[in-house]
Amino acid sequence: GAGVSQSPSNKVTEKGKDVELRCDPISGHTALYWYRQSLGQGLEFLIYFQGNSAPDKSGLPSDRFSAERTGGSVSTLTIQRTQQEDSAVYLCASRPRATPETQYFGPGTRLLVL
Amino acid sequence: GDSVTQMEGPVTLSEEAFLTINCTYTATGYPSLFWYVQYPGEGLQLLLKATKADDKGSNKGFEATYRKETTSFHLEKGSVQVSDSAVYFCALNPRGSTLGRLYFGRGTQLTVWP
Repeated sequence: GAGVSQSPSNKVTEKGKDVELRCDPISGHTALYWYRQSLGQGLEFLIYFQGNSAPDKSGLPSDRFSAERTGGSVSTLTIQRTQQEDSAVYLCASRPRATPETQYFGPGTRLLVL
Repeated sequence: GDSVTQMEGPVTLSEEAFLTINCTYTATGYPSLFWYVQYPGEGLQLLLKATKADDKGSNKGFEATYRKETTSFHLEKGSVQVSDSAVYFCALNPRGSTLGRLYFGRGTQLTVWP
């Protein structure tokens, strides 16, 4: 079946612009995660959605970052007033209820802020 | 807090050489431990996992043993292939966590030459 998909695969933007990154999880997966992978760094947790529960936003680095998940499926990560330090690969992952320890990752969106 | 420390890269080996990538962790209780692999141009994939002390995870010739006494989960392979060239991430999920949020190490780049 189809895996997690993300779009765009690459995004170049100017400092101060807003960007939206999209994630389509695997159909039927109840949980969705966003992570950020910066150059030379590990994966940094950003936000977590589980069903209809309030999302865990504890990893968002600033109030310029926000995310939503519509209809329990597609998710959008929005970065407002982008800064150069936001340049990174943004990874989305989803997991099924039955195997809570197995996350399936998308290919990522590579964001470059000039 | 929970964290993972893994061997700095890059690691360069000849085909059929023995591979070890060290990983140690800090966590309250006994977390579940994982190795993820990221092949060039692809998303992260779960390579193997272990959920309790002394468990050995294995897949594709790779192995890692959950060592509680040394808080380690070192990745090993007896004979690497060119196709193993990738970035390897050690990760943990804190015990009792219902979130499934993963804590990742910084990743180790492996290059295998023919």
